[in-house]
Amino acid sequence: AQSVAQPEDQVNVAEGNPLTVKCTYSVSGNPYLFWYVQYPNRGLQFLLKYITGDNLVKGSYGFEAEFNKSQTSFHLKKPSALVSDSALYFCAVRANTNAGKSTFGDGTTLTVKP
Amino acid sequence: DTGVSQNPRHKITKRGQNVTFRCDPISEHNRLYWYRQTLGQGPEFLTYFQNEAQLEKSRLLSDRFSAERPKGSFSTLEIQRTEQGDSAMYLCASSPTLAGGSTDTQYFGPGTRLTVL
Repeated sequence: AQSVAQPEDQVNVAEGNPLTVKCTYSVSGNPYLFWYVQYPNRGLQFLLKYITGDNLVKGSYGFEAEFNKSQTSFHLKKPSALVSDSALYFCAVRANTNAGKSTFGDGTTLTVKP
Repeated sequence: DTGVSQNPRHKITKRGQNVTFRCDPISEHNRLYWYRQTLGQGPEFLTYFQNEAQLEKSRLLSDRFSAERPKGSFSTLEIQRTEQGDSAMYLCASSPTLAGGSTDTQYFGPGTRLTVL
């Protein structure tokens, strides 16, 4: 079985401050990890992924995430938040042996205030 | 590249009616996925295809749900005898296959929002 936990329903930061959105996972085997962003009434937009290699991955719009195998975490980060980053963020995991099903967390709403 | 498209974007139906949704994946992607998303939750996996073969179905997919991908291109998801609990956003995603056979990133369409009255 595989699962994802996003422990914070809501994250509030001031514009220009660093942001972190937390994600922990459970999976049998090696994980493929993903972050997606969703704007109101829209589908999910891919931000970044970890498949193998460097634990720090960089993605779209200045976001990055760090894979930590010992803590089974994949936290999303950005050094300087923008008001336009305000959205719903989803973490997802899939076992590297599983070609199909990805399991998503319940999402974290990020609000960046000017 | 026009991305994954889904039609219709919105569907309102009465309980007991049948509905069908269509998904057109990114053209070179051989894997296609259906997910369901309800308010306040992340997407839940329903089923996926590799080309025209349906390889996995979730237990969420009751007998009233059926999905097809007849020519390995577009896919349809049909819900028969709709119930109010079927109201949700139905998301389609597609992905290419990496060298070695593993699956790459899933790219999502805008979704079809179903409301069952």
